[in-house]
Amino acid sequence: TQLLEQSPQFLSIQEGENLTVYCNSSSVFSSLQWYRQEPGEGPVLLVTVVTGGEVKKLKRLTFQFGDARKDSSLHITAAQPGDTGLYLCADRGSNYKLTFGKGTLLTVNP
Amino acid sequence: GAVVSQHPSWVICKSGTSVKIECRSLDFQATTMFWYRQFPKQSLMLMATSNEGSKATYEQGVEKDKFLINHASLTLSTLTVTSAHPEDSSFYICSVEGGSNQPQHFGDGTRLSIL
Repeated sequence: TQLLEQSPQFLSIQEGENLTVYCNSSSVFSSLQWYRQEPGEGPVLLVTVVTGGEVKKLKRLTFQFGDARKDSSLHITAAQPGDTGLYLCADRGSNYKLTFGKGTLLTVNP
Repeated sequence: GAVVSQHPSWVICKSGTSVKIECRSLDFQATTMFWYRQFPKQSLMLMATSNEGSKATYEQGVEKDKFLINHASLTLSTLTVTSAHPEDSSFYICSVEGGSNQPQHFGDGTRLSIL
C-alpha cells in the first residue's frame, strides 16, 4: 500500500513570506497531483506532474517533482491570505484512483 | 461554474437513521464516480468507486452493506449511509472522473453529523 507523507503538517506564516511544503511517497508516483482544499469544500486541482525532474509554475506557486519520481515540493512566493487552505498531494493511479497524503494546513495571516 | 453538485451540504440526524447523499455530474456524462470520506484534520480516504450500470467497487475495510452506492444514470450517483451511528459522522465527498486526460472534479462535500 502506497503511503504519502506530507510535511509540515501545519504551517502558519505572515503575509509576504515564502514557504515550501513537501510530499514523499513510499513508492514511485504514477502521476503526482497537488490540490488545495478550503474548509467545507472539495479539493481543487492545482497541477499534475508526471516526468521526473519536472518543474511547473502557476503564478506564485512552483511545483517540483523529484528525479526519482518519489518526492515533490510546492513553493509559494509572497504568500497571501487567499493562499490559506489544506494542501494535498495525491497519486493518480490505475483506474484513475487517487491516493492522498494527509496534507499541510497552511494559514497565512494578514 | 460547478461541474459537480453534491447534496445535501450538511445533515444532522439521530443515530439509527439512514442518510442519502447525491452526487450529480452537471457538465458531462460520468461512467465513473468516486466517494471519499474525510475525518477532521485528516486526508481524503477513498471509500468506493461508483460504476454506472454496475455494482460499486469498495475499498478494503469499507462495509458495502453499510454504505450503499447506486449509480443508475450517467449523471447521478448516490451514497446511502444505512443505520448511521456517531462514528459515521464525517465529511463525505464525491468526485467525477473526467477521463485519461482530464482531472477529477470534486463536489463540495456533505457534512454528516450523527447524534
